[in-house]
Amino acid sequence: KQEVTQIPAALSVPEGENLVLNCSFTDSAIYNLQWFRQDPGKGLTSLLLIQSSQREQTSGRLNASLDKSSGRSTLYIAASQPGDSATYLCAVCQMRLSGSARQLTFGSGTQLTVLP
Amino acid sequence: DGGITQSPKYLFRKEGQNVTLSCEQNLNHDAMYWYRQDPGQGLRLIYYSQIVNDFQKGDIAEGYSVSREKKESFPLTVTSAQKNPTAFYLCASSIGPGSGYGYTFGSGTRLTVV
Repeated sequence: KQEVTQIPAALSVPEGENLVLNCSFTDSAIYNLQWFRQDPGKGLTSLLLIQSSQREQTSGRLNASLDKSSGRSTLYIAASQPGDSATYLCAVCQMRLSGSARQLTFGSGTQLTVLP
Repeated sequence: DGGITQSPKYLFRKEGQNVTLSCEQNLNHDAMYWYRQDPGQGLRLIYYSQIVNDFQKGDIAEGYSVSREKKESFPLTVTSAQKNPTAFYLCASSIGPGSGYGYTFGSGTRLTVV
């Protein structure tokens, strides 16, 4: 059974710092890995999706890498801002459910606070 | 804009009541899902549907039911058989293999038992 672990569970940094969030998974047979952002009481916003054949994806100040063989992904946030404060969730897409449906297995998230 | 709409945002259920959470998407995605989120835990899959008139149980389906009569709609009913329904419920849809099975989520419904 796939297990996804995110470290650290919580992180507090001053504004302007570069930071790295870590995600590890136990089964490397994945279709893709997605990073999501969740604000308190809100739904999930997709940040980056890395296909299993890719090594990294970039969007603005965000860069996500994937090392499928070692079961690791990192989310790098450059020049952090208070507006980046949220919970960041890592999810691996692995199991085929039926037809075109695929199940995501989520980590428990990293709660990020960026201090002004 | 394309997206997923969940309603209501907040829902209160009395003991013994059934309640239905709405989920509508205009993304033309075939697959739709319901996840449950509890504090400090990851999301867990309740039900999913790959196509109209088809749905399957996920990891924690007991006490829940769904229907998929239209491609755009995937309502979730929380029945009185669900003993601990207080949670945050998220609906999602995913695009097919051409775009790598990327997921889109709605804004969620918070259900509280009173």
